[in-house]
Amino acid sequence: DGGITQSPKYLFRKEGQNVTLSCEQNLNHDAMYWYRQDPGQGLRLIYYSQIVNDFQKGDIAEGYSVSREKKESFPLTVTSAQKNPTAFYLCASREGIAKNIQYFGAGTRLSVL
Amino acid sequence: ILNVEQSPQSLHVQEGDSTNFTCSFPSSNFYALHWYRWETAKSPEALFVMTLNGDEKKKGRISATLNTKEGYSYLYIKGSQPEDSATYLCAFIDPTSGTYKYIFGTGTRLKVLA
Repeated sequence: DGGITQSPKYLFRKEGQNVTLSCEQNLNHDAMYWYRQDPGQGLRLIYYSQIVNDFQKGDIAEGYSVSREKKESFPLTVTSAQKNPTAFYLCASREGIAKNIQYFGAGTRLSVL
Repeated sequence: ILNVEQSPQSLHVQEGDSTNFTCSFPSSNFYALHWYRWETAKSPEALFVMTLNGDEKKKGRISATLNTKEGYSYLYIKGSQPEDSATYLCAFIDPTSGTYKYIFGTGTRLKVLA
């Protein structure tokens, strides 16, 4: 089955701790994205990568970091600098031109203990 | 900052009712708009890719129209069924960003009552 796998489904972070959310795709897509959802708001772009070993900040990148060492993997680290990390996080990928749809994972819900 | 709005925020309808939602977006520099259905505990799934003014797309009982000149798209569901219950998202592709990123609306949450 081709698709995007996010893990874990639920994650808890202690104060001052960095946590990493996993995103793996087997769709052979070049572009990958991380979004954040807060109640009452649309999905907002955190980081994106259009090719291996390259990534760019989205609209709300502060307090987050990413890497793209492999085409199929785009992990997101929520650092201790992110003061309000409680949210739902979605990973997506896209093939080819910008008009193509994005494919999404099922998300990770992050809460602060 | 580009603004994409969806209305209504939520909707409850009876099984068999037809319904429609609106996605409003900037009417200048239109590139493309995508509609997604997002069921609880699942991944958002693409419904339609809308690219040309006057586009009408259909998938079963669901259809969508596009008016780029006035900056809106409608999603219609004919004869709603309980399995249509989901959040419907529109995603406007911003061509001015240089990276053609998505600008999402906040979604319309539909609940179909049996």
